[in-house]
Amino acid sequence: DQQVKQNSPSLSVQEGRISILNCDYTNSMFDYFLWYKKYPAEGPTFLISISSIKDKNEDGRFTVFLNKSAKHLSLHIVPSQPGDSAVYFCAATRGGADGLTFGKGTHLIIQP
Amino acid sequence: ETGVTQSPTHLIKTRGQQVTLRCSSQSGHNTVSWYQQALGQGPQFIFQYYREEENGRGNFPPRFSGLQFPNYSSELNVNALELDDSALYLCASSDGKLLSEQYFGPGTRLTVT
Repeated sequence: DQQVKQNSPSLSVQEGRISILNCDYTNSMFDYFLWYKKYPAEGPTFLISISSIKDKNEDGRFTVFLNKSAKHLSLHIVPSQPGDSAVYFCAATRGGADGLTFGKGTHLIIQP
Repeated sequence: ETGVTQSPTHLIKTRGQQVTLRCSSQSGHNTVSWYQQALGQGPQFIFQYYREEENGRGNFPPRFSGLQFPNYSSELNVNALELDDSALYLCASSDGKLLSEQYFGPGTRLTVT
């Protein structure tokens, strides 16, 4: 039973446009949500996070939106750049020693 | 600031054997977590160590065990290897604060034949 779902295995976006990556979760006990970016042959790199008490968090070109009632979050990247091409993982946790629960990832491809 | 490092990079083992993977935490981090990432899947939480004690565990059998040392480096041991254990094993460290970000190493690719 997947508690964190990323339903789009891949997404292609033109350079300069907005990339929107989506994530749904089923466990209402999740308190904290994170996005990681992964290049081939590297470990995931932390991008941005959001606590369940907020509905938006921004960091430069990256914004994460959280809709708790819909159990949905999204990552917006604007403007998209070629270096953004990578696999993006959504992750959630109840905090403490629970570890992170990851989705399967979305492969973002930025087209020139 | 030194990042998370893991060794070896790649490893090939035979079914039934035992394996030990190693991880050095990022400087200043006292918490280490291990994840298994099968092909086409997201990382799955194996367990977490805080100050040398296991304080959280995912849905993995007891043949997956670990250690954390006083310098906060860590080992993952897997006994009686099965074919399905073939995966990328990721180590992540954090500063032990509630809801803090975890920083991942590059992983060890384990192949079981």
